[in-house]
Amino acid sequence: DAGITQSPRHKVTETGTPVTLRCHQTENHRYMYWYRQDPGHGLRLIHYSYGVKDTDKGEVSDGYSVSRSKTEDFLLTLESATSSQTSVYFCAISESVPGNTIYFGEGSWLTVV
Amino acid sequence: AQKITQTQPGMFVQEKEAVTLDCTYDTSDQSYGLFWYKQPSSGEMIFLIYQGSYDEQNATEGRYSLNFQKARKSANLVISASQLGDSAMYFCAMREAAGGTSYGKLTFGQGTILTVHP
Repeated sequence: DAGITQSPRHKVTETGTPVTLRCHQTENHRYMYWYRQDPGHGLRLIHYSYGVKDTDKGEVSDGYSVSRSKTEDFLLTLESATSSQTSVYFCAISESVPGNTIYFGEGSWLTVV
Repeated sequence: AQKITQTQPGMFVQEKEAVTLDCTYDTSDQSYGLFWYKQPSSGEMIFLIYQGSYDEQNATEGRYSLNFQKARKSANLVISASQLGDSAMYFCAMREAAGGTSYGKLTFGQGTILTVHP
């Protein structure tokens, strides 16, 4: 199994509070992705990174920011959480593109009340 | 912009029969990769099969094969001899090669729920 871990795995937070999800990899892979999964929408890309300090927006980036100061960590921050951001968040990593090796984390369940 | 479409929200198949899950994509890039993932009720994402845009042959992995029709921009997943354990959500995904503006952006379809009946 690929060395990819997400933390926290489960979190309940209040509306308006900041939340940071962490994706940590031990594979030294260049590409990292954050997705959210909601019923009826599949996996939607929030942000992704193609190298240290190199990030770009996905299709649902509003309300989210990311940072990647070192290869192994990709942080997703909800600056002021809203109930619409209640979701399951998946991190993925990949060494090359277009490539055939993409590993997923186990997911982080976030509930905003 | 790249786009992936899975038009079948749900599919049913009898055990031991074959089933095809549809996937169409849209891209202006010449170099891209197509993926299929399985997500069982436990939630993990399981890689099934990969097809590169320049691959001459259709990809196969055990009971899974990818029916790649480049001109039609379709990448359908065929599961042969369905098993009860195949019941899950299936996602098609596409990634364009870096070099353009997408830098390896990976986009998923909405998924198809497959139910295998005994």
